[in-house]
Amino acid sequence: DAGVIQSPRHEVTEMGQEVTLRCKLISGHNSLFWYRQTMMRGLELLIYFNNNVPIDDSGMPEDRFSAKMPNASFSTLKIQPSEPRDSAVYFCASSIQGYGNQPQHFGDGTRLSIL
Amino acid sequence: GESVGLHLPTLSVQEGDNSIINCAYSNSASDYFIWYKQESGKGPQFIIDIRSNMDKRQGQRVTVLLNKTVKHLSLQIAATQPGDSAVYFCVEAFSGGYNKLIFGAGTRLAVHP
Repeated sequence: DAGVIQSPRHEVTEMGQEVTLRCKLISGHNSLFWYRQTMMRGLELLIYFNNNVPIDDSGMPEDRFSAKMPNASFSTLKIQPSEPRDSAVYFCASSIQGYGNQPQHFGDGTRLSIL
Repeated sequence: GESVGLHLPTLSVQEGDNSIINCAYSNSASDYFIWYKQESGKGPQFIIDIRSNMDKRQGQRVTVLLNKTVKHLSLQIAATQPGDSAVYFCVEAFSGGYNKLIFGAGTRLAVHP
């Protein structure tokens, strides 16, 4: 079975440019999580969607970050304009919600470098 | 807690030995716990989970122990192999919430031949 698929795997761009990260959920999952991982801060939750609706975006750093779920199986995380401090590995994870706690399944991440 | 940078504790073991990774969780209301393994260049991979109505759960070569009295979780890996080398995260969650996972800082497991 295909797991969570993220693209691109690596992105290098100059500050000020728009960056779009993509995520395809596991088929049948209805919850989507975006995380950011850095050496300084570890793994941080940015935003959580359930059934395509954003439920908790308290972890989104600032207005430069936005996330969408245009359909039940796909999500984007956009940074505009990007800054060097946004450099990190960004993960998305999906799970089944509504049946008590279930583990989240992670993609292999997008390594983002802002020059 | 807050820290300037993350200095991961490291557990070094010989191939074939058993490994025990310990974790203290923070929220006494947490009732669901997961161990994740993260290899270099990959995302966290689910290993095993346990709910608070249990104190032990076994998987293939892995056992998780939960002690709610002292808020302690451990992961035991039997016959550790080089492929077990990774960072291991213990994660807590509260079923009254929306499955928000609280990740610990992680422990690096280094397996030596």
